Order: sequence, then structure tokens, then C-alpha cells
Amino acid sequence: DADVTQTPRNRITKTGKRIMLECSQTKGHDRMYWYRQDPGLGLRLIYYSFDVKDINKGEISDGYSVSRQAQAKFSLSLESAIPNQTALYFCATSDLGPGADTQYFGPGTRLTVL
Amino acid sequence: SQQGEEDPQALSIQEGENATMNCSYKTSINNLQWYRQNSGRGLVHLILIRSNEREKHSGRLRVTLDTSKKSSSLLITASRAADTASYFCATAGSARQLTFGSGTQLTVLP
Repeated sequence: DADVTQTPRNRITKTGKRIMLECSQTKGHDRMYWYRQDPGLGLRLIYYSFDVKDINKGEISDGYSVSRQAQAKFSLSLESAIPNQTALYFCATSDLGPGADTQYFGPGTRLTVL
Repeated sequence: SQQGEEDPQALSIQEGENATMNCSYKTSINNLQWYRQNSGRGLVHLILIRSNEREKHSGRLRVTLDTSKKSSSLLITASRAADTASYFCATAGSARQLTFGSGTQLTVLP
């Protein structure tokens, strides 16, 4: 987990506020992902990036945007937070080549929108 | 929508017993993976099995894959209290993204 870091780890915000979640990695991987997890459910993909110039929407991208500032940094923004975006958010990375499908996860950011 | 569905949703066993979790999926896959999540923490990759493989072992873990039935199982042998966690299957298709199931919550009682 130390290779993939997320900030902040916990955040409480109010409806309508803009918030940014940040992810950094030292694994040297090209691919990065943002997921959300709701209680009792698996992870759902929000956005993914296969390199700095490549950004793709996932299953649930509405209400979110991302920025890939560098190979090592991938940020997730909520432009105007709403209560149903309260969830646990995870960043993940993966490599190219034979190990491409194995993902390495950060520790998560617990976001509460009041 | 979830590609994989785990069964059971929750499993409680005594230390030393074996734990078996099942995963079913809907579409063709390139590979299937199992991940573990301790409460509120990030997921940790356990094992990957490719679509042309039928069984794979890693330590106390054994994974099987039946592509004709679109199902996989994860067996943890000689379970320990430290194995208590949620276990997720994830499928990778041609787009090389992972789609996760809803998970099995395993509790190993000391």
C-alpha cells in the first residue's frame, strides 16, 4: 500500500462544495484508476487513465472529473458534492505487459458529504 | 453493474477449517482475479487465473476456474483468524479493465 498513496484519508464536506482527492504512486506504472465502494458492495470504476494523455470514463463517471498531472499523479474531483457521493474512494495502478491486469490499491479516502 | 457475484455473501468458520467462496460471472473473460480487503482498507491482490487455466495454487490458496460454467472458486485451507476479511473476485475482459463482484465477508473464529 505504501507504493500508492491517497490524500486526504478522511474528508467531511458539505453539499455543493468542490473537493479533490489525490493519488500518487511510486510504482512507475502507466495505468491508474479511480473506484468508489459503497457499504456491502464491490468496487465500481469511475475513471481510468492508461497514460498521461489518455483519460477514459468508467461505469459511474457522472458528477466526477479527473486530471492526470503526471505519470505518478491522478486526481479525482467532485465539482459539486452531493450526499450520495458519500463513499470510500480507492485509487489503483497497474503495469503494462504480462502483469497488466493486476492492480495495486491505495489505502482509500473515506468521503462524507453532509 | 457487477460482472461477478460471490456466494455466499457471508461465511463464518472456526480456525483450522477450510473456507470456500464462489464467484459467477456473465461474459467472456481474459482472466479472473481474487482480492482481499481488510475492513476499510485497500484491496490486496491474491491470485490471478487465466482463461486457459483450470486450477492454480498459492500457499494456502487454491483457485479453480470453469469457463464453461462461468464460475470460479477460492479455497483457503487451514484458515486462521488473520484471514478474516472480505474477498472479491474481479474479471478482466478484452478491455483489460477489472469488474468486481460484491464480495464474501469471511469471519474466522479463534
